[in-house]
Parts: sequence; C-alpha cells; structure tokens
Amino acid sequence: DSGVTQTPKHLITATGQRVTLRCSPRSGDLSVYWYQQSLDQGLQFLIQYYNGEERAKGNILERFSAQQFPDLHSELNLSSLELGDSALYFCASSPRGQKSMGANVLTFGAGSRLTVL
Amino acid sequence: GQQLNQSPQSMFIQEGEDVSMNCTSSSIFNTWLWYKQDPGEGPVLLIALYKAGELTSNGRLTAQFGITRKDSFLNISASIPSDVGIYFCAGLTTGNQFYFGTGTSLTVIP
Repeated sequence: DSGVTQTPKHLITATGQRVTLRCSPRSGDLSVYWYQQSLDQGLQFLIQYYNGEERAKGNILERFSAQQFPDLHSELNLSSLELGDSALYFCASSPRGQKSMGANVLTFGAGSRLTVL
Repeated sequence: GQQLNQSPQSMFIQEGEDVSMNCTSSSIFNTWLWYKQDPGEGPVLLIALYKAGELTSNGRLTAQFGITRKDSFLNISASIPSDVGIYFCAGLTTGNQFYFGTGTSLTVIP
C-alpha cells in the first residue's frame, strides 16, 4: 500500500457520460498530480495541485477538470466521454509543490481504470 | 508535455542476465527517479538520485545520476522472472515539475 488511495478502481460507462475519479494523497503530502496512461503508452501528465491551488497543467482536455479540496483530497472530472478516453488514470502525491531544497518524490496510487463503451 | 528519451523501448532477456537502460534529456534535472510498473498497477519507486555523479544501489538494482545532470541509467543484475514490467525514469526540475521517460518494457525468459 503506497498510501495514495484512488477510487473507484474500475469504472465502465458509455460515451457522452461524465465520471469523477477520487484521490486521497499520502498523509502529509500537499501536492497531487493526475496522469493518464492509455494502453501500452507512457504516463501523460494532466494537472497538478498544491495545497488546494492549481500549479501546473499538462495535456488536459477542456472536457476534463480537477480540483483539490481543503482536506487535500482531489477529484478528476471527465465529461462528454469518448471512446479514446478509456485509460488508466493515476493520481500521485508528493510532499511539496514549490521549489524544493530537499528530497521530493512522487508516490503513485493503484489507478482507476476507465472503460468507455 | 515534455518526455525524456528512454532506451531501449523493450528488452527480452534470459533469466540471470544483467540489464541496462538509460534516460537522456536536453534539460537539466535536480533529481532522477526510477519506477517500475507491473501490469494494471501504479508505478512504484525503485531508486531516487539527488546529486550529479551519485551512484545508488537497491538490492540488485544500481542507478546513477549523470555528471551533466541530463542523463541517468539503471542496471539490474542477475535478472529474475519477477523483474518483468515497465521501467520508467523521471526527472524533477527546479520548478518541481516531474517529467517521465517513455518506458522500457522488460521481459525475462525463464
């Protein structure tokens, strides 16, 4: 158990629908990152939050949005789903989000597998 | 977004052989990380490197932070079947951004 909790583990839905993926970071970590991994692909960075604020954006579609709440858990909302959105979605957390003078590593959750039919 | 150049893309080796993979970038990183991902699971941190030139071991794994701060390699000695998976490198910038390599898929033939 990495300490990063993601729910649900599996999700099957239809095109055009909307889903929400949830992530609880490791205790003490302030930053949350979301990644998308399509079949046999690498990790595509979507978005990062630090202590409730958006810090960086990657290749995140306009149909996708995210937020980090005061208790530091985060949600990734995916709307108007398309077949191509089927993928593993990973949340990762790290201790810091700003320029760091010390060690900073990413700890990943087990992922949420989204299947769009 | 930016991705690191990781090679080889895939490897098929016999059990007991040594493995070497590397990551290169045009950018300088302050930290290099190596992760392993089993099928359907999240990546797990194997080794973290924090200083240029640093050589760090974790059991049969050895990784080095390149002197130029633009590259890193990972070696696995005496491979075993459970080493199968995808290995990712990641670099951390001064702005606290993580960039990932494209992954090396390792298959170990018993």
